[in-house]
Amino acid sequence: QVQLVESGGGVVQPGRSLRLSCGASGFNFNTYTMHWVRQAPGKGLEWVAAVSGDESHKYYADSVKGRFTISRDNSLNTVFLQMNSLRPEDTAVYYCSDGDSFGFWGQGTLVIVSS
Amino acid sequence: DVVMTQSPLSLPVTLGQPASISCRSSQSLVHSDGNTYLHWFQQRPGQSPRRLISKVSQRDSGVPDRISGSGSGTDFTLKISRVEAEDVGIYYCMQSTHWPPYTFGQGTKLDIK
Repeated sequence: QVQLVESGGGVVQPGRSLRLSCGASGFNFNTYTMHWVRQAPGKGLEWVAAVSGDESHKYYADSVKGRFTISRDNSLNTVFLQMNSLRPEDTAVYYCSDGDSFGFWGQGTLVIVSS
Repeated sequence: DVVMTQSPLSLPVTLGQPASISCRSSQSLVHSDGNTYLHWFQQRPGQSPRRLISKVSQRDSGVPDRISGSGSGTDFTLKISRVEAEDVGIYYCMQSTHWPPYTFGQGTKLDIK
């Protein structure tokens, strides 16, 4: 069955960087657009970034454009989120999800940006 | 950007009674391919979101048939015919017709009265 497993979260100071990973299994990974979606504590869902199956297209929310970079390695069935210049407002659980309709979600990884 | 507006934001329901959540979009969600990419998600306490319904009314595997989706254009509804304890959580609508960005509603918190 489909499985998405995020990792790489933690506590980081403002202005620093963090790299999240999401390992996928159970589906034809390289044919699916992959997404990162985040949820700040007690708040709703916010789409963050997407990457097409062949990595030819990448899209970002305005709130992270220029600071975050999404990428993927289809040989590893993994999608990444490089987060630079982190701000306290980036504190959230970060989920990866798949496809055009977000059919599957991982368990999430918590990022806390705090001094 | 397409704004998704849900109502109500809080929905206390008696067990066994029906529940209904409205989702309105700031523009039509009909795609040029003829599909309407409006989806519903459930997030139980302490869990990840789970898709319930895709493309307005297509129930996902394992979703009970007492949960249904309907609507068209800019107005959509998620209905639960008889609320059970396992339905407690927050429900989100989301559109993937006009992207980026993909946009979610604010969420509707369903709990038992």
